[in-house]
Amino acid sequence: DQQVKQNSPSLSVQEGRISILNCDYTNSMFDYFLWYKKYPAEGPTFLISISSIKDKNEDGRFTVFLNKSAKHLSLHIVPSQPGDSAVYFCAATLLNDYKLSFGAGTTVTVRA
Amino acid sequence: DVKVTQSSRYLVKRTGEKVFLECVQDMDHENMFWYRQDPGLGLRLIYFSYDVKMKEKGDIPEGYSVSREKKERFSLILESASTNQTSMYLCAAGKGIGGGYTFGSGTRLTVV
Repeated sequence: DQQVKQNSPSLSVQEGRISILNCDYTNSMFDYFLWYKKYPAEGPTFLISISSIKDKNEDGRFTVFLNKSAKHLSLHIVPSQPGDSAVYFCAATLLNDYKLSFGAGTTVTVRA
Repeated sequence: DVKVTQSSRYLVKRTGEKVFLECVQDMDHENMFWYRQDPGLGLRLIYFSYDVKMKEKGDIPEGYSVSREKKERFSLILESASTNQTSMYLCAAGKGIGGGYTFGSGTRLTVV
């Protein structure tokens, strides 16, 4: 059973607007969360992460929010650009473990 | 940045064949992983290794084995390929979870 869930398989957004990607997890012991971005025919690339002791982490246009009580995190992309069109994977781990548990991914399409 | 190279981008193999997927990293990182990516399922961990000759099963190790004789090389072996092993295989490497792991470009394996 997947411990990390991305319930929206796809998202379409207009260029310049905000993209909000959601991720839910079931294991309350997870203490580190990451987002990866994947283009077709390429491997995933690390985008941004957040520790469970924080509720927000920002890097340029990308911000990740963590709500531990709801076991929910989200990735905000502002403003969205055509190059942001990709599949985004949410992942979670325990700090004393090397393994990542991934969600199924959300395909983002940014319309011009 | 760590560069992770997977030897083949595309492979077509017959049912029952023994298949080797090779992965090489160009930095001295302890941790290496093999994932498979399937639509709607995201990335699932097959095996990982945290040191030479050390290996641990991931979430879906059945039908697979691995070899890590040198720190830079991590091989995934399909002992007897089956059609349900048709998938995108992704290798990853890294020192620790903080900066995320670096993925290779993937090997698209088709078993016929």
